[in-house]
Amino acid sequence: EPEVTQTPSHQVTQMGQEVILRCVPISNHLYFYWYRQILGQKVEFLVSFYNNEISEKSEIFDDQFSVERPDGSNFTLKIRSTKLEDSAMYFCASSDPGQGAHEQYFGPGTRLTVT
Amino acid sequence: GENVEQHPSTLSVQEGDSAVIKCTYSDSASNYFPWYKQELGKGPQLIIDIRSNVGEKKDQRIAVTLNKTAKHFSLHITETQPEDSAVYFCAAPMNTGFQKLVFGTGTRLLVSP
Repeated sequence: EPEVTQTPSHQVTQMGQEVILRCVPISNHLYFYWYRQILGQKVEFLVSFYNNEISEKSEIFDDQFSVERPDGSNFTLKIRSTKLEDSAMYFCASSDPGQGAHEQYFGPGTRLTVT
Repeated sequence: GENVEQHPSTLSVQEGDSAVIKCTYSDSASNYFPWYKQELGKGPQLIIDIRSNVGEKKDQRIAVTLNKTAKHFSLHITETQPEDSAVYFCAAPMNTGFQKLVFGTGTRLLVSP
């Protein structure tokens, strides 16, 4: 069964450093998303991406964040200058508009720890 | 914007019992309601969803019911098993573009053998 994959599974970085989180969405999906989950809290939407551009973003997704689809398979989230409060699990998701754009399938996540 | 409330926050049942988790939403334009199961250290897994044109949907031991008038929907798990133990999240889309899912706060379900 196709699935969303994410790398790395755990990333430790120092405050102020840049990080890039990587995702490979399900191959025939056209919508891509990033969500985050601070430890013990609910999952929060960050951004959605379709047709090579951001289609929606939340208030959390400020100028420190950016997304890119550098090739036909990868989807990345970059945090330019990490803060302590960026420590969280980051989940990538994708959906297929042919099956209803709402059905979002999540990857296993990247745990980001900012020290 | 959409606000999703979920309860209970924790639910303990004996193996074989039924479990019910309830969610309410605020945006009457929402028309799609998924449920996700999250096991420790893993990503949310879509287990069942319902669209607003039906009131109930079943998939083996799992069912979801929707009451559009009251703006609430519920997850029902029958004949629970220890492997059902996980955190369950409901969600509803923001009406803007229907892409942004707003999640509930989660229910930790513990099924004891």
